[in-house]
Amino acid sequence: EAQVTQNPRYLITVTGKKLTVTCSQNMNHEYMSWYRQDPGLGLRQIYYSMNVEVTDKGDVPEGYKVSRKEKRNFPLILESPSPNQTSLYFCASSLSIQANEQFFGPGTRLTVL
Amino acid sequence: ELKVEQNPLFLSMQEGKNYTIYCNYSTTSDRLYWYRQDPGKSLESLFVLLSNGAVKQEGRLMASLDTKARLSTLHITAAVHDLSATYFCAVDSMEYGNKLVFGAGTILRVKS
Repeated sequence: EAQVTQNPRYLITVTGKKLTVTCSQNMNHEYMSWYRQDPGLGLRQIYYSMNVEVTDKGDVPEGYKVSRKEKRNFPLILESPSPNQTSLYFCASSLSIQANEQFFGPGTRLTVL
Repeated sequence: ELKVEQNPLFLSMQEGKNYTIYCNYSTTSDRLYWYRQDPGKSLESLFVLLSNGAVKQEGRLMASLDTKARLSTLHITAAVHDLSATYFCAVDSMEYGNKLVFGAGTILRVKS
């Protein structure tokens, strides 16, 4: 089944404890992206990647890192999480930046205490 | 800065009624997307509108795009309870590196 998977789905952590949220897609998509969703703000893009080893900042990149060593995986790293990073996170992928209909993962609900 | 504005942000409607959700955006773009999100769930792609005048329909939902007015509409016909969800429009533009920018979403509640 074609899909985008994320792990973990739920995470409660404490300020400053490094964490990684994994994202994987099995559709051979070039383009992958991370969003955060906060009430009343819609989805805001954190980072995106147009292909392997090519990543760029979105609208709210502060406090996050990403890597794209393989086409299928695009992990999101929070080196030192803070409470303002408590949010619902979505990974998405699309065939390419030109064919930009994005397919979303199930979401990761992160709480930073 | 590319801005995408939806209205209304909240819509409560009776079953059987018609209504329209509006999506305005601030840049020239030929590509507009509509997504649906059920509570606690991920986003599901509904429509991709790729050119001026594009119209797509799926069941009781119809989306259209007017690139000259920088406006897309999502029209709901004879609403049913199962349409209750949050609807997002999103736009990308070469001018902004093809980043997908979302509206704030419209929460739709259909009452029986």
